[in-house]
Amino acid sequence: EDKVVQSPLSLVVHEGDTVTLNCSYEVTNFRSLLWYKQEKKAPTFLFMLTSSGIEKKSGRLSSILDKKELFSILNITATQTGDSAVYLCAGGIQGAQKLVFGQGTRLTINP
Amino acid sequence: DTAVSQTPKYLVTQMGNDKSIKCEQNLGHDTMYWYKQDSKKFLKIMFSYNNKELIINETVPNRFSPKSPDKAHLNLHINSLELGDSAVYFCASSHPGLAGGPRETQYFGPGTRLLVL
Repeated sequence: EDKVVQSPLSLVVHEGDTVTLNCSYEVTNFRSLLWYKQEKKAPTFLFMLTSSGIEKKSGRLSSILDKKELFSILNITATQTGDSAVYLCAGGIQGAQKLVFGQGTRLTINP
Repeated sequence: DTAVSQTPKYLVTQMGNDKSIKCEQNLGHDTMYWYKQDSKKFLKIMFSYNNKELIINETVPNRFSPKSPDKAHLNLHINSLELGDSAVYFCASSHPGLAGGPRETQYFGPGTRLLVL
């Protein structure tokens, strides 16, 4: 059965800290790894990674995929209270247009 | 100018009732999805439709019946509601692929919080 596991499940840090969120996957016919941020409502898209070792960056957020070790990390530098959210990782399946989600990491940034 | 919209936002109902949730997207996407998110925040796919055709049905009880009148709409009807159906239901849609962007980038609606009493 396809599986995506995120760690830690919960993380509390102070504003300004740097955090690393982990995502490991076992997905048959794996094609891509996606990261979403979920605040109170809908998950919003952050990154999609398909190639190993190529970092994607958007402001203070960056992510990288390792297809040999089957994991991805999401880094957030100089965290702000607005980064508080649940971060979801999902594996995309080749040709199936299907995403398998992890259970999420709840990140809390304290002022 | 909402991209993916759902109605209603909240639904409180008694066990045994039948209810529907509606979803519409104005992004020109050809694929739409229904997800269920439980209290532990686990998002699980239920159904996927491509151009009004069912392509994914993930072992969901047949009390749940999706209907896609056109590729911009995907509704979810639930018969004989049970306590365990309480969750947030998200609709999503994705790009057509190739020049339109990769298929897996799914855009989510605001969710419908269903509470069955």
